[in-house]
Amino acid sequence: GAVVSQHPSRVICKSGTSVKIECRSLDFQATTMFWYRQFPKQSLMLMATSNEGSKATYEQGVEKDKFLINHASLTLSTLTVTSAHPEDSSFYICSARPLAGNQETQYFGPGTRLLVL
Amino acid sequence: AQTVTQSQPEMSVQEAETVTLSCTYDTSESDYYLFWYKQPPSRQMILVIRQEAYKQQNATENRFSVNFQKAAKSFSLKISDSQLGDAAMYFCAYRITGGGNKLTFGTGTQLKVEL
Repeated sequence: GAVVSQHPSRVICKSGTSVKIECRSLDFQATTMFWYRQFPKQSLMLMATSNEGSKATYEQGVEKDKFLINHASLTLSTLTVTSAHPEDSSFYICSARPLAGNQETQYFGPGTRLLVL
Repeated sequence: AQTVTQSQPEMSVQEAETVTLSCTYDTSESDYYLFWYKQPPSRQMILVIRQEAYKQQNATENRFSVNFQKAAKSFSLKISDSQLGDAAMYFCAYRITGGGNKLTFGTGTQLKVEL
């Protein structure tokens, strides 16, 4: 149980284009989903907290107009990197907090590797 | 602000031996959770063990156990009978109770398991 998927797993795009990453909780409903960014050999940095049906809360220094987050249902959150540039190349990981059951733990997706050329 | 410190960037252990990864944190809160996550080469984050701060008893999960010292704000992970599959990056993480459930991660410890 508590499986979180991400799609796509890898994406290569041209500079200036937008990329959408999906995060789905497959066997549970999630009130809250989190989006992280991880550079090589570094820790996870929280970008934003996404609550179903409301606006996402962004961490300091994260541009909300560049990283658009939508949490339209209790099982799906999307992160759109708008007008991507090479410096946006990174590993993006989502996690989800269950609506019921073990609410104290976040379950992580497998991550999406983004490469912007 | 809460911070989590992992002072060991890399550790090595022989197969079947025991290794301890250290973690310290800084907080003014009294009620919180601590976690150890494992990130193997696949990059999938896997929960290893969780500790509630209000519990004095150290958490254990099979070969994994913690030494939680609340006064010292220390939360070390002990891996017994190390296996090749334990090789991974290990992250210590902290979260206050409520507060939007935001996790604060340490910088990680790369664990190598040698034959």
